[in-house]
Amino acid sequence: DAKTTQPPSMDCAEGRAANLPCNHSTISGNEYVYWYRQIHSQGPQYIIHGLKNNETNEMASLIITEDRKSSTLILPHATLRDTAVYYCIVRPRRDKIIFGKGTRLHILP
Amino acid sequence: KAGVTQTPRYLIKTRGQQVTLSCSPISGHRSVSWYQQTPGQGLQFLFEYFSETQRNKGNFPGRFSGRQFSNSRSEMNVSTLELGDSALYLCASSLEQGTDTQYFGPGTRLTVL
Repeated sequence: DAKTTQPPSMDCAEGRAANLPCNHSTISGNEYVYWYRQIHSQGPQYIIHGLKNNETNEMASLIITEDRKSSTLILPHATLRDTAVYYCIVRPRRDKIIFGKGTRLHILP
Repeated sequence: KAGVTQTPRYLIKTRGQQVTLSCSPISGHRSVSWYQQTPGQGLQFLFEYFSETQRNKGNFPGRFSGRQFSNSRSEMNVSTLELGDSALYLCASSLEQGTDTQYFGPGTRLTVL
């Protein structure tokens, strides 16, 4: 079973920052937080991952709380192309990926 | 660099038949994972292959099997198809076993009638 809890859906206005929360209160010390997204009819796409420090790449930022029990994925300037299902996953490195139900993000024009 | 390719993209079979799906990973990638996606169960891990050996396995019946060839290409086979096997089957490749970034293919849409 997935070890994360995400809201089933969220809306965000185009051009604004999209903040997607994820709860992983039972995360273990060796588990990383990963984010993937799946745009309709495509395979999932890796976004970002982190252990305990905040991370940023060209797609997004990942903020992990100090106790590591929750995290937030931030898309700084959402566009219509960011409409997708976003999956938050926790797993040890080199382990299989267990996807949950994810958050369906709607970007509103 | 070409992405992950899966063939065929669409397939229609009848109950009781068997099916083989193919996945070609990104050049240089040595690990291939397979997933099943259905509206009811979401994305579920099937198995992972690395260096021609199954390294990880999900909770699926023995009707689901796979293999990996020396060139890292992989196939998965489903025998004695059931209606519930209708799904999108996704393949993902990564450089090494269980690396952070998995690159997914477009999937094979299997319909069992």
